[in-house]
Amino acid sequence: GQSLEQPSEVTAVEGAIVQINCTYQTSGFYGLSWYQQHDGGAPTFLSYNALDGLEETGRFSSFLSRSDSYGYLLLQELQMKDSASYFCAVSNQGGKLIFGQGTELSVKP
Amino acid sequence: GAVVSQHPSRVICKSGTSVKIECRSLDFQATTMFWYRQFPKQSLMLMATSNEGSKATYEQGVEKDKFLINHASLTLSTLTVTSAHPEDSSFYICSATPLVIEAGSSYEQYFGPGTRLTVT
Repeated sequence: GQSLEQPSEVTAVEGAIVQINCTYQTSGFYGLSWYQQHDGGAPTFLSYNALDGLEETGRFSSFLSRSDSYGYLLLQELQMKDSASYFCAVSNQGGKLIFGQGTELSVKP
Repeated sequence: GAVVSQHPSRVICKSGTSVKIECRSLDFQATTMFWYRQFPKQSLMLMATSNEGSKATYEQGVEKDKFLINHASLTLSTLTVTSAHPEDSSFYICSATPLVIEAGSSYEQYFGPGTRLTVT
């Protein structure tokens, strides 16, 4: 079976740093992706980790530890527009993406 | 950047009718397209994987005779919901990738804007 666990919701204030964790159990693993989705919109790609370590893209960073089947998304200098749902997703054979249940981030002023 | 479109964006149909949703890659050739369904406040559930010129591969629990997928060209895949019922009401999203999938390579799917289907 395959499963991904991430917190259902997180609340933070503008300017803060927030970390969204993701643990996974999958039968095949090529990499861990993160997607952002605003209400009623399509998911947009944020980052991808195939190897252990930290990937940084602007205010967003993503980390992966393959030995721990664990990753996280780090959002810095939070802005109101960052309020959205964030999904981790595992890539496996054939390029399929298996999504976690999503974390709803609420950024307060 | 890579752009994927879907049509229609919203559709309301009566129970028992069929609805076709189109997914197009506008500026690249999509070797593989994926169809997802998302219920409110829930995750994206992969329904099927569509490769140009071949039959779609359906995920466990997805009825292939109910959700007909055709990937006739490298830029177009269609999903037809046949004999729709109210429980089929959902947000249907397609994605496409032009990349050859290799272990360890950077990988990204480009998502369409989604189609909200309401069956009355």
